[in-house]
Amino acid sequence: GAVVSQHPSWVICKSGTSVKIECRSLDFQATTMFWYRQFPKQSLMLMATSNEGSKATYEQGVEKDKFLINHASLTLSTLTVTSAHPEDSSFYICSARLTGGLNTGELFFGEGSRLTVL
Amino acid sequence: AQTVTQSQPEMSVQEAETVTLSCTYDTSENNYYLFWYKQPPSRQMILVIRQEAYKQQNATENRFSVNFQKAAKSFSLKISDSQLGDTAMYFCAFMKSSGAQKLVFGQGTRLTINP
Repeated sequence: GAVVSQHPSWVICKSGTSVKIECRSLDFQATTMFWYRQFPKQSLMLMATSNEGSKATYEQGVEKDKFLINHASLTLSTLTVTSAHPEDSSFYICSARLTGGLNTGELFFGEGSRLTVL
Repeated sequence: AQTVTQSQPEMSVQEAETVTLSCTYDTSENNYYLFWYKQPPSRQMILVIRQEAYKQQNATENRFSVNFQKAAKSFSLKISDSQLGDTAMYFCAFMKSSGAQKLVFGQGTRLTINP
C-alpha cells in the first residue's frame, strides 16, 4: 500500500524556537495532504488542508501565522510551528490522498510527530 | 457541518469474544464515505474498514464487519474472535464524497482485549 513518512518522529525544543515537521509520500504523488493535531487521549483535529502549489486552507481557529504549511512538491508537505510554546506540545499527524486513479476516499497516514516544547 | 459521535469511551472484552463499537453521524449529504480507523499504542493510524454510502451491502474485512444503517445514520463496527492485537483506540470517521473530502473523526473508543 501507499506509504507516508513523517520526520522527525519526536522533537523537543525550547520555547520561542521554530520547528519544522516533514510529511512525505514515498511511493505516490499527493496533490492534497492534511495536517492533524492530537492531544493525549483525544481524537484527531484537522488543522489544515495542504495543496501542492497553492496556499493551505486552515480550519477555523487555527492560526495560519503560527502553523506555516508549505506543499512545494507532489511528495512533500511541511508544517512549521513558529515561536513554539509549551501549549503547542502535541502529536501532529499528516495524511495524504493519492493523486489520480480511482477516488476511494482513502487517506494514507504518516506515523505522527510528537512535539514537546520546554 | 458533519459530526461523528462515538458514545463508548472505553470497552473491554475477553480474547476470542465478539465486540461491537458504536458510531452515529450527522450529515445532510447523500453521498459519502464512512471509515473505521485503528490507532494502536504506536499511534500509527490504520484503516480497518471503509463503507460507501451508496452501497447497501455492509462492508466486511476478515474478522471486521460493519452494520451500516443509512436512515438511522449509524455505522457500528463488529470485531469477531477478538485478538490481543486488536487492543487500540478505534475512530469512526466521515468524509464527503466530493468537495474538500476532509475526514471528520469521532471521539474514539479505547478497546482493550484481555487474555
